[in-house]
Amino acid sequence: QKEVEQDPGPLSVPEGAIVSLNCTYSNSAFQYFMWYRQYSRKGPELLMYTYSSGNKEDGRFTAQVDKSSKYISLFIRDSQPSDSATYLCAMSAYYGNNRLAFGKGNQVVVIP
Amino acid sequence: GAVVSQHPSRVICKSGTSVKIECRSLDFQATTMFWYRQFPKQSLMLMATSNEGSKATYEQGVEKDKFLINHASLTLSTLTVTSAHPEDSSFYICSAPLTGKNIQYFGAGTRLSVL
Repeated sequence: QKEVEQDPGPLSVPEGAIVSLNCTYSNSAFQYFMWYRQYSRKGPELLMYTYSSGNKEDGRFTAQVDKSSKYISLFIRDSQPSDSATYLCAMSAYYGNNRLAFGKGNQVVVIP
Repeated sequence: GAVVSQHPSRVICKSGTSVKIECRSLDFQATTMFWYRQFPKQSLMLMATSNEGSKATYEQGVEKDKFLINHASLTLSTLTVTSAHPEDSSFYICSAPLTGKNIQYFGAGTRLSVL
């Protein structure tokens, strides 16, 4: 079983819809959870960062972490064509160990 | 916010030449930086951990002599692809963790094409 599972299937939504992305993981030691957005031929850009369980909201983006289920989610409200990108989940175990475990990434296409 | 600068963004070279890629942390110091390789439609594959003042730590299967890493200062790490061959063509990305936080910021990436 891989440490982080993220269904890489492409996701197409109409503009204005809610995009829902998720990852599951197996390592209970993970405490830091990140979502990155990557545009084609660019490096990943940090979108959201959460420590331990709970929700975090930043504008149209909401990140959720459920450590009991080993499940994290990213929601994008009122999606825009500019949100079309690949979204990567990433996580790490503890402070000082900056090594990240990544999901495969979800390609999201927002159709105008 | 924290920024990581990576240069060059694009390199085209002939087979057998060496290519150097620079990764700089701006506005913060990074004793550790990471080098990744990414194939089309794939996730990031960690190649090595660059450590300031000591040798880099390479992942299994990554050739140390092929991918030379030097962490010359607290803000600069370089990756040199030596004697590049077409199979080395790929997208290389560096990252650095922000001091005091367990999150990483990534450079814009370098697309290497070896002819």
